[in-house]
Amino acid sequence: TQLLEQSPQFLSIQEGENLTVYCNSSSVFSSLQWYRQEPGEGPVLLVTVVTGGEVKKLKRLTFQFGDARKDSSLHITAAQPGDTGLYLCAGLPGTASKLTFGTGTRLQVTL
Amino acid sequence: GAVVSQHPSWVICKSGTSVKIECRSLDFQATTMFWYRQFPKQSLMLMATSNEGSKATYEQGVEKDKFLINHASLTLSTLTVTSAHPEDSSFYICSARVMRLAYDTQYFGPGTRLTVL
Repeated sequence: TQLLEQSPQFLSIQEGENLTVYCNSSSVFSSLQWYRQEPGEGPVLLVTVVTGGEVKKLKRLTFQFGDARKDSSLHITAAQPGDTGLYLCAGLPGTASKLTFGTGTRLQVTL
Repeated sequence: GAVVSQHPSWVICKSGTSVKIECRSLDFQATTMFWYRQFPKQSLMLMATSNEGSKATYEQGVEKDKFLINHASLTLSTLTVTSAHPEDSSFYICSARVMRLAYDTQYFGPGTRLTVL
């Protein structure tokens, strides 16, 4: 069973602070996706990373895929209340089409 | 592009009744869709893989006779919760698989909140 552990599980910070969320596994993934989910809604795709060592930026969000494609991180700069939500990483192992979801990180950004 | 819709967005039913949830890909065709269940403050749990024109593949522990999945067209998959009970109350989310730039991506619907009284 491929497991994706996210840390921290919960993070409460003030507006303007920086934060990093980690997504770790002992398994190799052909690609890894990050989603953000707000209460009562479905997950919204933020980014897909496919190459080991790849770094992608989406405004204040920076995503990195580990060299060995076993882990990933999400860094948010100058967090805003609108960043509040559940962040989920999800990996696609090999040629399988089923995503393995991480345990989730709940982020709360307050004024 | 890659918009997935679900209907209804919420439903309340009496114990023992059946409930059908629809998942549609609005601007693309999806040969593969997925059904997830999510409990409060938890991550998504895959229930089954819905394949157009063939039987669904269920994850271990998911009762296929209770959660009936039909993928009759390239844009529609349905999940029917049969003889629903209060323990079936949950947030059900579907997703559709898309190949973008030679890699797999899943786009999710907005979810359906099921409450069984």
